[in-house]
Amino acid sequence: EADIYQTPRYLVIGTGKKITLECSQTMGHDKMYWYQQDPGMELHLIHYSYGVNSTEKGDLSSESTVSRIRTEHFPLTLESARPSHTSQYLCASSAPTGVNTEAFFGQGTRLTVV
Amino acid sequence: KNQVEQSPQSLIILEGKNCTLQCNYTVSPFSNLRWYKQDTGRGPVSLTIMTFSENTKSNGRYTATLDADTKQSSLHITASQLSDSASYICVVSDRGSTLGRLYFGRGTQLTVWP
Repeated sequence: EADIYQTPRYLVIGTGKKITLECSQTMGHDKMYWYQQDPGMELHLIHYSYGVNSTEKGDLSSESTVSRIRTEHFPLTLESARPSHTSQYLCASSAPTGVNTEAFFGQGTRLTVV
Repeated sequence: KNQVEQSPQSLIILEGKNCTLQCNYTVSPFSNLRWYKQDTGRGPVSLTIMTFSENTKSNGRYTATLDADTKQSSLHITASQLSDSASYICVVSDRGSTLGRLYFGRGTQLTVWP
């Protein structure tokens, strides 16, 4: 079983609040990712990181920001939550690129903004 | 444009029956193809991973096939169980960048009825 953890699992929050979704992995992976997934839809990459102090935006535009101060930790922050941010957020990590590189996913955070 | 298309979108079968899910992709240059199982509200879990030279790979009751010439893959589930009810996602990785980009299909929602 993969050692990648997300907290909280579920979050209901009011509009305008600042929130941080936590993601930690104990596998020593340099690459980490944040995906957004709406019900019945595919995963969309919103942020990724190659390593400490490296962060890039993904394909899907997102108002969230990320940081990578430590290898094992990749938090995602929304400064002012809106109902349009309601979605499931999945964190993943992977070992260095290779033929059999696999991404390991966390359990996800289901965010509801009311 | 790199894309992954899955069919059918949803499928209902009776417990004990077999089923086959399809995945067509246009990702190039191709690195590998994975099938993931995603239970409702949880992160995806890897079932199989195949490289260019592999045609078939099994994991218990799950058997994946790959035809790299036609860019098609299938996932065959034998003797289905109620616990097989989940979304099955086809993920293709390219080898054209250091990121090793992952391209996700929308998934096939499988429901197994008793």
